[in-house]
Amino acid sequence: SQQGEEDPQALSIQEGENATMNCSYKTSINNLQWYRQNSGRGLVHLILIRSNEREKHSGRLRVTLDTSKKSSSLLITASRAADTASYFCATSKTSYDKVIFGPGTSLSVIP
Amino acid sequence: GAVVSQHPSWVICKSGTSVKIECRSLDFQATTMFWYRQFPKQSLMLMATSNEGSKATYEQGVEKDKFLINHASLTLSTLTVTSAHPEDSSFYICSAREVARNTETQYFGPGTRLLVL
Repeated sequence: SQQGEEDPQALSIQEGENATMNCSYKTSINNLQWYRQNSGRGLVHLILIRSNEREKHSGRLRVTLDTSKKSSSLLITASRAADTASYFCATSKTSYDKVIFGPGTSLSVIP
Repeated sequence: GAVVSQHPSWVICKSGTSVKIECRSLDFQATTMFWYRQFPKQSLMLMATSNEGSKATYEQGVEKDKFLINHASLTLSTLTVTSAHPEDSSFYICSAREVARNTETQYFGPGTRLLVL
């Protein structure tokens, strides 16, 4: 099963620009995570934000969570060509529950 | 950080044969492992939750008799695709949650690419 939607499905930007990806989910959650996947490769865990948190930062990444709207956003600042990948949000209903993925956003950063 | 491995990394087989994929947590113990399937240009779809010492819990629409899961130890879970057909060709990814560190983070394996001819 999949949880919600991601917007946009595909995003193409110039190197140095900021990239914003949005994720919506359907049910109440305990936490939301963002992952990156390079083409044909495994997943890289980027950041986890809990339901009682509103914003989190990690390097060039900024994640927000709005539980009232059941949505989250991932902002990548000063994008680089190496950021080209698919980005997925994933949610868990409880701390140790299974993780359900959204459909993902394909990001292309043009040098 | 915690490492999860999968073996093989890719496999090509003939239609009708069975294929076993291993998922190992290399430096931690995992009572729970998860199996996902990913078709090209799509997201990860959870297939089943594998619990050490008990039967796996399958997601709706996943055939338990076709996708056999065995979680024999705290560091190993196996997924066997029985009587594989071309439509089973996909990227299979496992993940594991570390028990001792009591963390929500799941660690994902590198995936196994299956091609059924």
